[in-house]
Amino acid sequence: QAVVTQEPSLTVSPGGTVTLTCGSSPGVVTSGHTPYWFQQKPGQAPRALIFDTSDKLSWTPARFSGSLLGGKAALTLSGAQPEDEAEYYCLLSYGDARVFGGGTKLTVL
Amino acid sequence: EVQLVESGGGLVQPGGSLRLSCAASAFNFKNYWMSWVRQAPGKGLEWVANIKNDGNEESYMDSVKGRFTISRDNTEKSLHLRMNSLRAEDTAVYYCARDLFCPSSRCRGPIFDFWGQGSLVIVSS
Repeated sequence: QAVVTQEPSLTVSPGGTVTLTCGSSPGVVTSGHTPYWFQQKPGQAPRALIFDTSDKLSWTPARFSGSLLGGKAALTLSGAQPEDEAEYYCLLSYGDARVFGGGTKLTVL
Repeated sequence: EVQLVESGGGLVQPGGSLRLSCAASAFNFKNYWMSWVRQAPGKGLEWVANIKNDGNEESYMDSVKGRFTISRDNTEKSLHLRMNSLRAEDTAVYYCARDLFCPSSRCRGPIFDFWGQGSLVIVSS
């Protein structure tokens, strides 16, 4: 089964910008993997933020955006807020199967 | 409001079996694929299995193939996960989540836009 890789942890200053990435081994991430991004806070179920690389759900704050960057999927947070501190997971589709990345713990400090 | 409510979790011995259920409401269940996702204590998310809206096709992660079976009852709007030969590493909170929307032959996302609250499965002697 494919392995999906993410940075284990990142730190961003309040108001700053940070990019989280999501890679696939083997190969590169394409739109065909329909990249998804989820946010999870302690004790809560995950919440979908981005689907199909860059589409937002109705509840996704405007400061979050998705893209493909250098063979990876990317989630960019512009203007970080304290409430954005959370674990972020990407998800890639491989046919009918899905594989989550290991998650990125984002600290806003 | 879309709701997914899991049940059936608990403590089970290694090698034992358990059946999880997920009751769906407030959406057209028979038009959606459905998935199970799990999260071991302090660990990341793992997609476990999904089933197409008509129940005719299933997919599984490698480590549960041959041990877990996903099924659904579109009349009862329920999703199930039968887990056999359970191992300590299956210990996790199991979530059901809505997957692709397939009102016709063409399906579309977003997937996992709604999740249940989770059901804890502990495999231990």
